[in-house]
Amino acid sequence: KQEVTQIPAALSVPEGENLVLNCSFTDSAIYNLQWFRQDPGKGLTSLLLIQSSQREQTSGRLNASLDKSSGRSTLYIAASQPGDSATYLCAVRPYGNKLVFGAGTILRVKS
Amino acid sequence: DAGVIQSPRHEVTEMGQEVTLRCKPISGHNSLFWYRQTMMRGLELLIYFNNNVPIDDSGMPEDRFSAKMPNASFSTLKIQPSEPRDSAVYFCASSFYSNEKLFFGSGTQLSVL
Repeated sequence: KQEVTQIPAALSVPEGENLVLNCSFTDSAIYNLQWFRQDPGKGLTSLLLIQSSQREQTSGRLNASLDKSSGRSTLYIAASQPGDSATYLCAVRPYGNKLVFGAGTILRVKS
Repeated sequence: DAGVIQSPRHEVTEMGQEVTLRCKPISGHNSLFWYRQTMMRGLELLIYFNNNVPIDDSGMPEDRFSAKMPNASFSTLKIQPSEPRDSAVYFCASSFYSNEKLFFGSGTQLSVL
């Protein structure tokens, strides 16, 4: 059974700092991996999707990497801003199966 | 595009009442998902449809829950009768294919008293 773990559970950093969020999964047989952002009282917004054949994806200040063999992904946020404060969730899609979500990392960027 | 549209945004009802949640997916998407989110259990997939056909409903907790997708632009999730433990945020999401980028609605906050 695929399990997804996100570390840390919560993170507080000063504005401008570069930071890394971690995601690990137990079964490397995945089709793709997505990183989502969730603001309080809102739905999830897909940030980046990495196919199993890819190593990384970039969007603006965000960079996500995937190491399928070790069952790990990282989300790198450069020059963090208070507007980046949210919960970040990682989700993997096993082959032919449904998304499995991690519990999320709550990020607070202090101004 | 307006994104995935869910209604109502909030629903407060009494135990035993029927509750119907509605979802309009993004036009052109052919996969639709219903999720439930609670603090204790996180995000749980309840059911998903491909081309209006239910593919996997193994996450539907009990027979009290049912979902329909009569056409490509509309889906409902019904709970009858509702119970306090059904209180949660219910999300609808859609994608172009079931293995592609997922787009979520804003959710329905359900409170069953």
